[in-house]
Amino acid sequence: GNSVTQMEGPVTLSEEAFLTINCTYTATGYPSLFWYVQYPGEGLQLLLKATKADDKGSNKGFEATYRKETTSFHLEKGSVQVSDSAVYFCALYTARQLTFGSGTQLTVLP
Amino acid sequence: DTAVSQTPKYLVTQMGNDKSIKCEQNLGHDTMYWYKQDSKKFLKIMFSYNNKELIINETVPNRFSPKSPDKAHLNLHINSLELGDSAVYFCASSPTGSQPQHFGDGTRLSIL
Repeated sequence: GNSVTQMEGPVTLSEEAFLTINCTYTATGYPSLFWYVQYPGEGLQLLLKATKADDKGSNKGFEATYRKETTSFHLEKGSVQVSDSAVYFCALYTARQLTFGSGTQLTVLP
Repeated sequence: DTAVSQTPKYLVTQMGNDKSIKCEQNLGHDTMYWYKQDSKKFLKIMFSYNNKELIINETVPNRFSPKSPDKAHLNLHINSLELGDSAVYFCASSPTGSQPQHFGDGTRLSIL
């Protein structure tokens, strides 16, 4: 079946630090890949997406590249802010279903 | 002009009761979903409807029954609530299955 494995949290960083959250997947066919973000007390919001190999999704300073050879979609940001504190979910879509990773809690300290 | 709205936001009730959660989307999307998020933030799909037709029905107890009166609404009815049903339930919608989903703010269900 399809699955998404995310790096376990929580992750705590100082403001302006570099962020990487690892995500690898197992899927049949050619899934679309997503990162969603969930701020406290809110629903999930799409952060970025990539629909085919070597695509790079980017938004709000976050980036992730669809790597088919390593089945990965790692999330990166060069300089995090306190306002980036949230839970980040990697997800894949295939066979009419969106499958989420377990989420990674990020806390950014001033 | 909330895109995906769920009511109520909080639901506290006794074990054994029956309750419903409503969801409406004003985005004109064809596909709607219900997810359950447990205390460890793990998200699991429960149901998916496309134009009022059930297309995904994951392994959930049959105490959970979705109802879609029209393509803008997908309600979730839960019979005989149990302690293990305590969670946050999210409704979502998308134009088609492959497009990004838009989520509501969730309904936090607590069973006493």
